[in-house]
Amino acid sequence: DAGITQSPRYKITETGRQVTLMCHQTWSHSYMFWYRQDLGHGLRLIYYSAAADITDKGEVPDGYVVSRSKTENFPLTLESATRSQTSVYFCASRDFHAGANVLTFGAGSRLTVL
Amino acid sequence: DAKTTQPNSMESNEEEPVHLPCNHSTISGTDYIHWYRQLPSQGPEYVIHGLTSNVNNRMASLAIAEDRKSSTLILHRATLRDAAVYYCIRRGRGGADGLTFGKGTHLIIQP
Repeated sequence: DAGITQSPRYKITETGRQVTLMCHQTWSHSYMFWYRQDLGHGLRLIYYSAAADITDKGEVPDGYVVSRSKTENFPLTLESATRSQTSVYFCASRDFHAGANVLTFGAGSRLTVL
Repeated sequence: DAKTTQPNSMESNEEEPVHLPCNHSTISGTDYIHWYRQLPSQGPEYVIHGLTSNVNNRMASLAIAEDRKSSTLILHRATLRDAAVYYCIRRGRGGADGLTFGKGTHLIIQP
């Protein structure tokens, strides 16, 4: 199916463990993004990528690592998870439509760090 | 992305039109106005965007004030499925990074 998929949808882990959230898109969009969403903070940009092997920090990058070896995949890794990283994580890709950039989001990955 | 102002919440009845306002009084001439919505337990979803002229698509209409300092998202006939948080975002045409989301308007639809 065409679209953007995230996995896992739900994950429970413990403090200090490494966790990787996967994001896959089928359109070959150049730009991809990772956001986190917390009550009281709304959606905040963690990292984004303009193309394979090109990534850059967003608003809240500390504690996260990204890579983009292939255009279609943009994994987000928490190298040593902390409780403050309990959140819902959304991946998005960007297309150009009617003169402007439009984002399409995945369904989200809900991460709980105990 | 610079700031927009939206009401925290609005309530409407099913099958009636809904007008969601957004104020962007400091908008520049090249900034687009985007609307996204987020249904419960889902990711944000693109609704519509525009620059100067009013825009229509299958989901909604976007009415942009002549001075571009405000806009209104119009849902012509709200259903219970339209209950969501609606985000109004102003964004330049270019830019490498993603959209900046504010708190949005929580739209409640009464049956």
